Amino acid sequence: GENVEQHPSTLSVQEGDSAVIKCTYSDSASNYFPWYKQELGKRPQLIIDIRSNVGEKKDQRIAVTLNKTAKHFSLHITETQPEDSAVYFCAASLGPAAGNKLTFGGGTRVLVKP
Amino acid sequence: DTAVSQTPKYLVTQMGNDKSIKCEQNLGHDTMYWYKQDSKKFLKIMFSYNNKELIINETVPNRFSPKSPDKAHLNLHINSLELGDSAVYFCASRASERTGELFFGEGSRLTVL
Repeated sequence: GENVEQHPSTLSVQEGDSAVIKCTYSDSASNYFPWYKQELGKRPQLIIDIRSNVGEKKDQRIAVTLNKTAKHFSLHITETQPEDSAVYFCAASLGPAAGNKLTFGGGTRVLVKP
Repeated sequence: DTAVSQTPKYLVTQMGNDKSIKCEQNLGHDTMYWYKQDSKKFLKIMFSYNNKELIINETVPNRFSPKSPDKAHLNLHINSLELGDSAVYFCASRASERTGELFFGEGSRLTVL
């Protein structure tokens, strides 16, 4: 089955700096890579996603890159703000033949210091 | 309107008891999931149903039994609760015609004493 590794497990940055979270996946058949943000005591919510036919995607201060050959993808947050503090999860999804199973990484706790 | 709703939000019970968590989605999605989030925040899939049919059943003790009476509901029943079952259980749904956003419920925090 799919295995998703995520690093680092914790990340502390100064407000205004950039944050980068990296993930690797094991199954080359995975074709969809979302990122979820989970604030304390709340539900995970999608912040950005990328499909396997795209190498990079950007939405305001967040961007995701995908390297299919190396089987890794990354989340970049620029100009971090205190409200970016949360746990971030990467995930990889196999297609309908595998039930669209979404496997999550272990999470990265991001703390943005004002 | 809440897209994915779970009840109860909090559940405190004794070891050995049986409990259920209910989930309903009003998004018209075909696929529903149960995820378990442990104290280290790791999100692990337990079950997935598509149009009331079980399609994913991870290595979960058979004390856990999901039930989907229709495609808008997916309930989780747990027998003989153990201390290690303490976690937050998230229900989620997703449209099945293509991979896409997973919508999570607010979670049900289960504490087994």
